[in-house]
Amino acid sequence: QKEVEQDPGPLSVPEGAIVSLNCTYSNSAFQYFMWYRQYSRKGPELLMYTYSSGNKEDGRFTAQVDKSSKYISLFIRDSQPSDSATYLCAMMSLWAGNMLTFGGGTRLMVKP
Amino acid sequence: DSGVTQTPKHLITATGQRVTLRCSPRSGDLSVYWYQQSLDQGLQFLIQYYNGEERAKGNILERFSAQQFPDLHSELNLSSLELGDSALYFCASSVGADPNQPQHFGDGTRLSIL
Repeated sequence: QKEVEQDPGPLSVPEGAIVSLNCTYSNSAFQYFMWYRQYSRKGPELLMYTYSSGNKEDGRFTAQVDKSSKYISLFIRDSQPSDSATYLCAMMSLWAGNMLTFGGGTRLMVKP
Repeated sequence: DSGVTQTPKHLITATGQRVTLRCSPRSGDLSVYWYQQSLDQGLQFLIQYYNGEERAKGNILERFSAQQFPDLHSELNLSSLELGDSALYFCASSVGADPNQPQHFGDGTRLSIL
């Protein structure tokens, strides 16, 4: 079983919909949680960065971390066709250097 | 544009050969990280350097090695290449070595082994 699990999708939604992306993890030592967006033939682009549990909002994006359930989410409001990409969750513990452990990614398609 | 530059963008070579991938971090970043992305394994951490010194190591094969130079650019050397080494190789950089400093990725080098 992988340390970080993520539904690969694809997830197809109409433009303007609210998108919910999720990851579960098994390592309770993870303290830092990130969401990256990756377009085809491009590198991962950092979207959200959170420490420990709670919510963080940035524009149309909201990241939630529930450490008790080992579950993190990314919500995208008013989704746009330009949001179509693969979304990767990533996590880090204090005791593994700065090694990021990634989920497998969820492919999102927003249809006009 | 993340500010992390990787060259070449695409590399095609044969089994048994050796290649060098190059990464220039963002201006001011002292840490460089290397990751491998393949269809079956996803994105996996290989190695981290901080200000010229190796800082952390992941599941990096013995055939692979890296270094960070005084000007902070880094190179990843892959030798005795096998078909299974075909993947995207990403470099990331961060300001320092603290975990609260996010990593920013380049656009990768696509390695194809024929």
